[in-house]
Amino acid sequence: AQKVTQAQTEISVVEKEDVTLDCVYETRDTTYYLFWYKQPPSGELVFLIRRNSFDEQNEISGRYSWNFQKSTSSFNFTITASQVVDSAVYFCALQAGGFKTIFGAGTRLFVKA
Amino acid sequence: GAVVSQHPSRVICKSGTSVKIECRSLDFQATTMFWYRQFPKQSLMLMATSNEGSKATYEQGVEKDKFLINHASLTLSTLTVTSAHPEDSSFYICSARDGDSNQPQHFGDGTRLSIL
Repeated sequence: AQKVTQAQTEISVVEKEDVTLDCVYETRDTTYYLFWYKQPPSGELVFLIRRNSFDEQNEISGRYSWNFQKSTSSFNFTITASQVVDSAVYFCALQAGGFKTIFGAGTRLFVKA
Repeated sequence: GAVVSQHPSRVICKSGTSVKIECRSLDFQATTMFWYRQFPKQSLMLMATSNEGSKATYEQGVEKDKFLINHASLTLSTLTVTSAHPEDSSFYICSARDGDSNQPQHFGDGTRLSIL
């Protein structure tokens, strides 16, 4: 069975702080994909990153960085120098076993000015 | 990049009405489309997988007769909520895949359905 766990329901930080959103996944498949999406208050899903199971390299994109650790089945997301515009719900997702994508419960991030 | 258009973005209607939501892939052919439902402050839950030219595959607990899915072409899938009731009020999001299962899904902007 596949599962995605985002243990942090809500996180509140002050602008310019760094924040890490945790994601732990479960799958028996050796080939799978991991994703992070941002959902602002307007509701649409904004794609942030896709990582396949064979690529454990960490990635940095501007203020965003991702740490993929197969040994701990984690795919954590860090926002450096957070801004108010980063306030949103962030979802980690897993695509495995063919084509279904399942989502974690999401982490609601509040960034205060 | 790949674009998925979902229409309408918002619907408000009376209880007992049937509502149709369209999901179109604008610049690619989508053999597979997915329909998700998201209740307030909850995650996205997969309702069904829609394959062009065949019957949709529904997730456990999703009523096939309540949520009719039609995927008549490679660029269009529709979800019809039949005889909608207030408990069907939710945010419905579609996604489409361009190609095989190794490709990521592209999401529409969602439809907010409110049943009075």
